Amino acid sequence: EAGVVQSPRYKIIEKKQPVAFWCNPISGHNTLYWYLQNLGQGPELLIRYENEEAVDDSQLPKDRFSAERLKGVDSTLKIQPAELGDSAVYLCASSLERTGGNYNEQFFGPGTRLTVL
Amino acid sequence: AQKITQTQPGMFVQEKEAVTLDCTYDTSDPSYGLFWYKQPSSGEMIFLIYQGSYDQQNATEGRYSLNFQKARKSANLVISASQLGDSAMYFCAMRGQYGNKLVFGAGTILRVKS
Repeated sequence: EAGVVQSPRYKIIEKKQPVAFWCNPISGHNTLYWYLQNLGQGPELLIRYENEEAVDDSQLPKDRFSAERLKGVDSTLKIQPAELGDSAVYLCASSLERTGGNYNEQFFGPGTRLTVL
Repeated sequence: AQKITQTQPGMFVQEKEAVTLDCTYDTSDPSYGLFWYKQPSSGEMIFLIYQGSYDQQNATEGRYSLNFQKARKSANLVISASQLGDSAMYFCAMRGQYGNKLVFGAGTILRVKS
């Protein structure tokens, strides 16, 4: 079974440029997450999708960040314009959420390492 | 709101010895889940072990065990018989009852010495 796929793995851009990251979750997983991981820290949730609906985007800086999950499968995270402080790893994860219980394992992709110059 | 605290920025352990990575948490949710992930230098997050707040026994998965002390709000990870391949960053995370997101700690870097 293929895992969560992310591309690109690495991206270097100049500040004020736009950038986009792509994520393909595990087949059949209804929930998709985008996390931001700064150097030396744990991941922090940016946005969570249940199918095609964004159900938690409270941590997404909406002035420059946007995301979409068309047809409830693949997802794209965009930054426009990028700032120096956006340099980080952007992780995508997916899970098959079932009602009840707390154990719904999230499977992570390899991440996209963004460097803004 | 949930909070995870990992107080050990870095740890060293001799190969074949056991090591304990500390994790304390804070939540007001009556039900919650605790997770440990491993992140090697390659960057992917690898799920290791899960403990539910109502589980009666401590979770075990191969060489990994979770020392769950609910009254102390701690969920320490124990790795037995350390291997060189265990060198990585380790994250403790929790998930509350009313949300699906994981809240992570700052992580602990583990280095296994030969």
